[in-house]
Amino acid sequence: DAGVIQSPRHEVTEMGQEVTLRCKPISGHNSLFWYRQTMMRGLELLIYFNNNVPIDDSGMPEDRFSAKMPNASFSTLKIQPSEPRDSAVYFCASTQTGGFYEQYFGPGTRLTVT
Amino acid sequence: AQSVTQPDIHITVSEGASLELRCNYSYGATPYLFWYVQSPGQGLQLLLKYFSGDTLVQGIKGFEAEFKRSQSSFNLRKPSVHWSDAAEYFCAVGAGGNEKLTFGTGTRLTIIP
Repeated sequence: DAGVIQSPRHEVTEMGQEVTLRCKPISGHNSLFWYRQTMMRGLELLIYFNNNVPIDDSGMPEDRFSAKMPNASFSTLKIQPSEPRDSAVYFCASTQTGGFYEQYFGPGTRLTVT
Repeated sequence: AQSVTQPDIHITVSEGASLELRCNYSYGATPYLFWYVQSPGQGLQLLLKYFSGDTLVQGIKGFEAEFKRSQSSFNLRKPSVHWSDAAEYFCAVGAGGNEKLTFGTGTRLTIIP
């Protein structure tokens, strides 16, 4: 299995620009999680989906952030407009409902907003 | 709601020495417990997990962890560390019926020659 795939691995953008991060979960996994990791705040859960439906988005920082999962094999996290404080590493993880909830993480996208 | 505490922010160990990383959790029932490792610039990799049964669980890379209900702990151990073990280690807890995991703040492990 290829594992969780994220793209791009690195993104540098200017403040005010739209940023789209992409994730492909492990085949057969039906829950997907988006996390943000910073030195100051550690690992934060932003949103998670089950069977492509958003279940908990209480961690989404503000309306500038949105996430979609149009099908079982693809999800996006969009920031519009981006701000310097959004600079972080964004991780996607997936798990299989009915298992024991161990999550498998992608390599992350390092976002820098200048 | 469940919570996780990793009391040690940073630990330094000599190569070849034994290691124990502490993790305490708070949850009313038997939790699902996990240890993850994050090498620099990488994602989190699952080291081991506990759901039920034998309280001593073995993981990858020679790591093991012991669930102690009386102490609400799930400490990670390795008898002899290697330089490649230098990384950040996260303990996480999950509750039955809820797919969300609660992560600790992590312990950074430094290995000295």
